[in-house]
Amino acid sequence: GQQVMQIPQYQHVQEGEDFTTYCNSSTTLSNIQWYKQRPGGHPVFLIQLVKSGEVKKQKRLTFQFGEAKKNSSLHITATQTTDVGTYFCAAPAMEYGNKLVFGAGTILRVKS
Amino acid sequence: DGGITQSPKYLFRKEGQNVTLSCEQNLNHDAMYWYRQDPGQGLRLIYYSQIVNDFQKGDIAEGYSVSREKKESFPLTVTSAQKNPTAFYLCASSTGQGRYMNTEAFFGQGTRLTVV
Repeated sequence: GQQVMQIPQYQHVQEGEDFTTYCNSSTTLSNIQWYKQRPGGHPVFLIQLVKSGEVKKQKRLTFQFGEAKKNSSLHITATQTTDVGTYFCAAPAMEYGNKLVFGAGTILRVKS
Repeated sequence: DGGITQSPKYLFRKEGQNVTLSCEQNLNHDAMYWYRQDPGQGLRLIYYSQIVNDFQKGDIAEGYSVSREKKESFPLTVTSAQKNPTAFYLCASSTGQGRYMNTEAFFGQGTRLTVV
């Protein structure tokens, strides 16, 4: 079935440094979503991208959807300790029911 | 308040026993999902359902069963056939309607299952 590959698996940054996680698919995606899971918590929706080349910003977070709609990125500028958690991308699989498929996630740790 | 509720939050099971995890939503969502998460790992899809009385196996359905008799409920049974059931189980729902199906997914708080 469709897979969404996410890298890196883990990143440990100094507070104030930037952070980026990437998602890639071998097939064209109808949309891509990003979620954040705080340690011990559950995933919470951040944003959905639909259009080719779309860029959306939420304060220090910048989300991009590739022109071919096969890749996406989440960039955090000047990380803070509150950014700690696991960031997941997710996309509907182009098969029965358009089930939502998640990437493996990127674990972000921020050192103050 | 609208939302998705999982219970219990913590569950302990003896080996060889079946156990059922509850998931209820009052968001009027058509689509519901069960995911398993192991420590430091991503989300693996167990089962999903797009409409009442219909559900499909995900990537790791062996040892699990579900039912969808009501739109708002999607219970998951972890059977004795599941060899390594200790994990964090997450239930989610989404509208599942329209051209771009599976818009924002709402997750429950999760159930931590431990086999003792």
